[in-house]
Amino acid sequence: DAGVIQSPRHEVTEMGQEVTLRCKPISGHNSLFWYRQTMMRGLELLIYFNNNVPIDDSGMPEDRFSAKMPNASFSTLKIQPSEPRDSAVYFCASSPPPTGLYNEQFFGPGTRLTVL
Amino acid sequence: GENVEQHPSTLSVQEGDSAVIKCTYSDSASNYFPWYKQELGKGPQLIIDIRSNVGEKKDQRIAVTLNKTAKHFSLHITETQPEDSAVYFCAASNELTGGGNKLTFGTGTQLKVEL
Repeated sequence: DAGVIQSPRHEVTEMGQEVTLRCKPISGHNSLFWYRQTMMRGLELLIYFNNNVPIDDSGMPEDRFSAKMPNASFSTLKIQPSEPRDSAVYFCASSPPPTGLYNEQFFGPGTRLTVL
Repeated sequence: GENVEQHPSTLSVQEGDSAVIKCTYSDSASNYFPWYKQELGKGPQLIIDIRSNVGEKKDQRIAVTLNKTAKHFSLHITETQPEDSAVYFCAASNELTGGGNKLTFGTGTQLKVEL
């Protein structure tokens, strides 16, 4: 299995530009999570989907952030307009349907975003 | 919502010694407590987890203990090796909330195993 795939791995952009991060979850997984990791705030959950439906977006910092999951194999996280304080590593994770109480989340390699 | 606190933020041990990382949680309804290891440049990876119906779980050199009354849980690594050097995250979840398996993570512990 290829694992969770994220692209790009690194993104450098200028303030005000639109940024789109992409994620392909593991085949067969029905939950998808977007996290942001910074030194100051650690690992924060931004939003998660279950069966392509957004369940909890309370972690999305502001309206500049939006996420979509048009199908079971693809999700995007968009920042428009981007700001320097958005600089962070963004992780996508997926988890399979629970078998019993199975709950492991599998993380992708992350996208390191730098906004100048 | 759930709040997870983790200590210490950094931990340095000599190779062969034991390392202990502690976490506390606030939501008494939480019933699933995983630990993730993050190596440099990679995403976190699950190393062990425990559910609220048990007090301790062990997997080779790694063990986790849970005290539901005090709402804290700990990760124990024995006979540490250089490859154990990484950032470790604890997390908590209430699996009864259904779909999505939302985890709340602690702030992480940077473990360094020195030769």
